[in-house]
Amino acid sequence: EAAVTQSPRSKVAVTGGKVTLSCHQTNNHDYMYWYRQDTGHGLRLIHYSYVADSTEKGDIPDGYKASRPSQENFSLILELASLSQTAVYFCASSKDWGGYTGQLYFGEGSKLTVL
Amino acid sequence: TQTVSQSDAHVTVFEGDSVELRCNYSYGGSIYLSWYIQHHGRGLQFLLKYYSGNPVVQGVNGFEAEFSKSDSSFHLRKASVHWSDSAVYFCAVTEAYQGGRALIFGTGTTVSVSP
Repeated sequence: EAAVTQSPRSKVAVTGGKVTLSCHQTNNHDYMYWYRQDTGHGLRLIHYSYVADSTEKGDIPDGYKASRPSQENFSLILELASLSQTAVYFCASSKDWGGYTGQLYFGEGSKLTVL
Repeated sequence: TQTVSQSDAHVTVFEGDSVELRCNYSYGGSIYLSWYIQHHGRGLQFLLKYYSGNPVVQGVNGFEAEFSKSDSSFHLRKASVHWSDSAVYFCAVTEAYQGGRALIFGTGTTVSVSP
């Protein structure tokens, strides 16, 4: 069973603080993604990666950094958290680009509240 | 502007009824389309996808979707819904080349199944 695990599942942060959301996959997938979910917007792509030590910008990268230290791990970093970054964040992995030959596998989500 | 549109924000049906969820897209190039389901508080799970061939694709749990190039649509259907089908359903589009936009999601349709 393909597995993507996220931590923490829930976090409260203060404005201006640093937040790191972690994602670990055991699928042996090359591609990993970070999405943000807001009510009324569906999911929006923040960053993605297709190889360790390399990350790419998605549609809404401003205010976020990403790190892929290994094939299994992909982190999302908010250096200076802001109120507008309150959202649910999802990590996903896939064998190939966009799940072309299969699908994306999603984690359970990380709910971030910035106060 | 490239978009994915799900016109119904919320659909209520009775158990045993059929349901159709609409998805329209606006993309000029080669794409593939997929549907994902999100149960409350969970991550997204893959239902089905279409790239080419038979425009009617079968997915898990009795779901099917039909692609129409002329209508730019990829509607999801189920003949007889079960209470466990209550969830949010997302249509997604992926540009079929690496570096293209990956899984651009619609805003989702919430399905509520009444007994």
